Amino acid sequence: GAVVSQHPSWVICKSGTSVKIECRSLDFQATTMFWYRQFPKQSLMLMATSNEGSKATYEQGVEKDKFLINHASLTLSTLTVTSAHPEDSSFYICSARPTGIDTEAFFGQGTRLTVV
Amino acid sequence: GQNIDQPTEMTATEGAIVQINCTYQTSGFNGLFWYQQHAGEAPTFLSYNVLDGLEEKGRFSSFLSRSKGYSYLLLKELQMKDSASYLCAVVDSNYQLIWGAGTKLIIKP
Repeated sequence: GAVVSQHPSWVICKSGTSVKIECRSLDFQATTMFWYRQFPKQSLMLMATSNEGSKATYEQGVEKDKFLINHASLTLSTLTVTSAHPEDSSFYICSARPTGIDTEAFFGQGTRLTVV
Repeated sequence: GQNIDQPTEMTATEGAIVQINCTYQTSGFNGLFWYQQHAGEAPTFLSYNVLDGLEEKGRFSSFLSRSKGYSYLLLKELQMKDSASYLCAVVDSNYQLIWGAGTKLIIKP
């Protein structure tokens, strides 16, 4: 099946610094990628929809200036958590959908972010 | 508003069959996904339904009724490794995934 690679798998950073998470579709092109956040004991929450070549669409309550999303190519989207704080510690997951609506969405392995 | 409902938790016995239901009210419908998620891991794709009916994949089957806004995931010959959360997600008219809160399935020997 199609592979989505997310990097890094885990990261620890100091409060106030920025962290970049990459999401790559390895063997298919993805016009649309999705970024999710999961807090403990909660379901995945969609943060934003990333469309190649255009601005991301953010869900209500998600700060676009804090969570910068760039989708510069059909195989790469990045999420940058700017000025991270301990409350941003979470599990961030991306998914990518190959072109065509009747296709599966494939998920990356997730990134566990810990801000200290 | 948009809403996906699934039971919070279910318990079943190893070797048995369990059915996890999902009902939805969304703005448009472009398909429904079922995902399995083990604690601390990313979700794993199980099935995708866009037409009414039953889709069978080995021990797992998924059913959809668009007119009723209803789907279920059927797991047969349950194994201990099937203990996980099962997430129902609907693709709405904007092609975004609307997620249910997930059903925690506990398998007992």
